Amino acid sequence: KNQVEQSPQSLIILEGKNCTLQCNYTVSPFSNLRWYKQDTGRGPVSLTIMTFSENTKSNGRYTATLDADTKQSSLHITASQLSDSASYICVVSDRGSTLGRLYFGRGTQLTVWP
Amino acid sequence: EADIYQTPRYLVIGTGKKITLECSQTMGHDKMYWYQQDPGMELHLIHYSYGVNSTEKGDLSSESTVSRIRTEHFPLTLESARPSHTSQYLCASSEANLAGDPYEQYFGPGTRLTVT
Repeated sequence: KNQVEQSPQSLIILEGKNCTLQCNYTVSPFSNLRWYKQDTGRGPVSLTIMTFSENTKSNGRYTATLDADTKQSSLHITASQLSDSASYICVVSDRGSTLGRLYFGRGTQLTVWP
Repeated sequence: EADIYQTPRYLVIGTGKKITLECSQTMGHDKMYWYQQDPGMELHLIHYSYGVNSTEKGDLSSESTVSRIRTEHFPLTLESARPSHTSQYLCASSEANLAGDPYEQYFGPGTRLTVT
């Protein structure tokens, strides 16, 4: 069964600190992995997309890593800001259909305190 | 900011009413999607469309229906709302892609539906 598991479920950090969010997946055949940021009451916004051949990708203070062998990904947030408070969702796409089916994790709820 | 819009943003309605959630995009995307998301849970695909006059059911069974008469418009309808339909509904769109190629999926802001 294709699944995406994220940890931790929730995380509280102080402003200015770094943090790392984890994602494990069993989706096969793998096409790509993306991280989304979802603010409360809003739709998800894409942060990064990585294919099988990419093992790291950055977007400002966000850096995602991918280990396709162990089927693990992480999202590292540097120098956190209050606006980083959101749910971060790991999404994996399979290669098995023209739809490019997306499998969503439940997200990590990050809260940044001043 | 993606050019994909949803109305209404919030809707509180009584049981048995017919409702239509609107979704429109100005990016000319062929593919459009409807997801359902409960608090703290993952998004579940309930409907998708490859283009005009194409609609398919997603992974999660839903009593809602959709139509795709125009490329930019993908409304979702519930003929008789029930409390079990209370949820957040997210619309998304993307360019058509060859299987396996990464493509960007853009989400609307969502409609928070509450059925009393």
